Order: sequence, then structure tokens, then C-alpha cells
Amino acid sequence: AQKVTQAQTEISVVEKEDVTLDCVYETRDTTYYLFWYKQPPSGELVFLIRRNSFDEQNEISGRYSWNFQKSTSSFNFTITASQVVDSAVYFCALSAVTTDSWGKFQFGAGTQVVVTP
Amino acid sequence: DAGVIQSPRHEVTEMGQEVTLRCKPISGHNSLFWYRQTMMRGLELLIYFNNNVPIDDSGMPEDRFSAKMPNASFSTLKIQPSEPRDSAVYFCASSFTSIQPQHFGDGTRLSIL
Repeated sequence: AQKVTQAQTEISVVEKEDVTLDCVYETRDTTYYLFWYKQPPSGELVFLIRRNSFDEQNEISGRYSWNFQKSTSSFNFTITASQVVDSAVYFCALSAVTTDSWGKFQFGAGTQVVVTP
Repeated sequence: DAGVIQSPRHEVTEMGQEVTLRCKPISGHNSLFWYRQTMMRGLELLIYFNNNVPIDDSGMPEDRFSAKMPNASFSTLKIQPSEPRDSAVYFCASSFTSIQPQHFGDGTRLSIL
């Protein structure tokens, strides 16, 4: 069975602070994909990044960066110099590549990020 | 290019009524997913289709829920009869393949009175 744990329910920061969102996953599959999505107050879900299980390179995109560590089954997300527009719920998700779970996304519970001016 | 289109955006109806939610996936996408989001249960996958064929409907809560995908550009999620506990935001998502990023519609906010 697959499981995604986002232990942080809510994180509040002041603008320009960095914020790191934790994501820990469980899967027995050797091939899988990890995702992050953003859900702003307007409600839509926006895809941010996909990472496959064989690519442990960290990635940076502007103020966003992701740290994938297979050894600890974690795929953490950092927002550098946060802005008010970063206020949203962020979801981590896992999709395995097996017959039984092909295509099934397992989403974490989400972390609410609140950035105040 | 148009994204995933869901209709209606909002639906308020009385319990016992039939509710039909509609989704038009992104053209060329072969996989379509229906999710339900509530505060209590988060994002739940209800059912997904690959090439118009239902692959996994284990997330469908009960027989009152049904989903169809008659062609590559249209899917429906039907609740009959509806109950207050069905109140939620229902999202449709599509992707090029089952493991590609899913692109979500804006959701349908359903309220059953």
C-alpha cells in the first residue's frame, strides 16, 4: 500500500522567510513518481513538479526547491524568501508503477502555508 | 490550449435529487480522474479511466455514485440519490498517461441540503 504523510498541518511565516514543507512517503514499489501541487485560496490545484524514483537530483525553480532523499523516503519542498502569494495549501502525492496501483495518485493531507506581510 | 473544464462550478440541491457533474479533459489526454475533496477526508480518488475505460473505481463511496466516459472528450459523475454527506468539492483531472502530471479542473462545489 502507498502512503504519503505531510505531518505539518499549517505553517505560518512572515514574508521573506524561508519555509520548508515535509513529505514522507511509503511504497513497496521500486519505480514511482512524486509530485507537488499547490492549491491557492481560489481552489484550483496547480501542478508544481514531478520527480521519478531514479532521479535523486535536487531541483530548483526560481524560489522553489525540492530535496528528494530516497534513503529517508522524503521529498521536501522549500520556498525561499516567501511572498504573500505563496499562501496556499501544498500537497505531496505519490504514484507507483505497478499493475495494482498503476495511475493511482496517493495525496498527502496537505500543508497550509500562511505568509503574512 | 484550454485546460480541464468542469461544469457546473457550483451546485446546490436538495437531498434525494440526482446530481450530474461534467468534465471535459484536455484534448489528447488519455487518462481521466475524478476526485472528491472535503475537510475531513482530504483529496480522495473516486475513479479513473484510461482510454475511456474505467480502470479503478474502488474509491467510489457506494452504489449511489456512478461515472461514465462515453468518449475521449467527456465524462460524467452522477450521484443518485444525493445525500447531505455528499457535499464536497469534486475535481476532475486529466493526464497524458497515468503517471504524467495530472491537470485539474476548477472543481464543482456541491452542496446537498
